[in-house]
Amino acid sequence: GAGVSQTPSNKVTEKGKYVELRCDPISGHTALYWYRQSLGQGPEFLIYFQGTGAADDSGLPNDRFFAVRPEGSVSTLKIQRTERGDSAVYLCASSPETGNTGELFFGEGSRLTVL
Amino acid sequence: AQSVAQPEDQVNVAEGNPLTVKCTYSVSGNPYLFWYVQYPNRGLQFLLKYITGDNLVKGSYGFEAEFNKSQTSFHLKKPSALVSDSALYFCAVRDMGRNTPLVFGKGTRLSVIA
Repeated sequence: GAGVSQTPSNKVTEKGKYVELRCDPISGHTALYWYRQSLGQGPEFLIYFQGTGAADDSGLPNDRFFAVRPEGSVSTLKIQRTERGDSAVYLCASSPETGNTGELFFGEGSRLTVL
Repeated sequence: AQSVAQPEDQVNVAEGNPLTVKCTYSVSGNPYLFWYVQYPNRGLQFLLKYITGDNLVKGSYGFEAEFNKSQTSFHLKKPSALVSDSALYFCAVRDMGRNTPLVFGKGTRLSVIA
């Protein structure tokens, strides 16, 4: 596709359940980012991949959150034992540049609601 | 640590009037600065960036921003607002000398009234 694709667009789950959110970046983009956006806030950094490896995972809030990018393209954000406070829009972005001057191209996000 | 402040939650402006959305930043070194726009039910879209060179940066949809190092500001401006400019605007910063992630402000909602 032409842009960053995120699925599902909406996910409602119960407290304690496991959730996976998928991101398909723009073809050829080497850098991939996950952000979380809560209501009334700006995007908050979670993790950054350069190729297959996590170059910076300092934003992951705790060990219930994990992300992978096994082939350097599609990425999955995994949340275990979900809590109500995990409810947010999870944004994925990709960038063609390995340096830090390039802009990020964002998907439309996956809205997670934990009941 | 990097940070961005957008002091206004909401900015209201009449169509045809100039608009300004304020942003100040804090980094330990020199900044790379960005503005993004978010329309309802859409992803964030890149508007413009300052990397180096001219302090006045021109971007998409007639927007521009001025980098002011002494005031650590990067305010977004447009000479004549359109109703279609109504959206949520985010300022973001990276530290030039470090490979750190893009840090966003909390956003400013712009409402352009016909």
